[in-house]
Amino acid sequence: DVKVTQSSRYLVKRTGEKVFLECVQDMDHENMFWYRQDPGLGLRLIYFSYDVKMKEKGDIPEGYSVSREKKERFSLILESASTNQTSMYLCASSSRVGAVGEKLFFGSGTQLSVL
Amino acid sequence: QKEVEQDPGPLSVPEGAIVSLNCTYSNSAFQYFMWYRQYSRKGPELLMYTYSSGNKEDGRFTAQVDKSSKYISLFIRDSQPSDSATYLCAMRGTNAGKSTFGDGTTLTVKP
Repeated sequence: DVKVTQSSRYLVKRTGEKVFLECVQDMDHENMFWYRQDPGLGLRLIYFSYDVKMKEKGDIPEGYSVSREKKERFSLILESASTNQTSMYLCASSSRVGAVGEKLFFGSGTQLSVL
Repeated sequence: QKEVEQDPGPLSVPEGAIVSLNCTYSNSAFQYFMWYRQYSRKGPELLMYTYSSGNKEDGRFTAQVDKSSKYISLFIRDSQPSDSATYLCAMRGTNAGKSTFGDGTTLTVKP
């Protein structure tokens, strides 16, 4: 089975801190994604990556950056955390962008609280 | 206006009931339609995947897509307590892995 592992289940940070959220997948997938999930707003795409060292902005990239130095690892960075970034963060991976049957595999999420 | 609107719920049904979950959308470029199931404190997992209009059945689950009405549905027959979860519809066009999700409907099936 595909496994997408997010490094932390719960995280509490202070306003202004730099925050790193790590995600690792073990199925050699080309594509990786970061979403945030908020009540009433659903899942919103922050950034995605089709390949190592490549990144594309999603729908809500402001205040975030990403890093993909290795195929299996995709990091989300909050340069200066703010309270409105308190959310559930979900990492996902998939193979073959745009292909019929392309499926997203999600990690279990990181619940980030910014105080 | 959101591109994808999902019936908000929550929905509570007795065990054995037929459940209907629905989404509407506005982007006619959407061609791939998915339903994800998300248990509490877990990430979403893909439940059903359909391309274009039509029906697709998998066990107790049937996904229906009507592109002319921009409407998709997920039917669950003989619902079980283990079906209690949040169900998310998602859809995308042809050119990227960028799926657009509905807000989710939380379903509780009572024994």
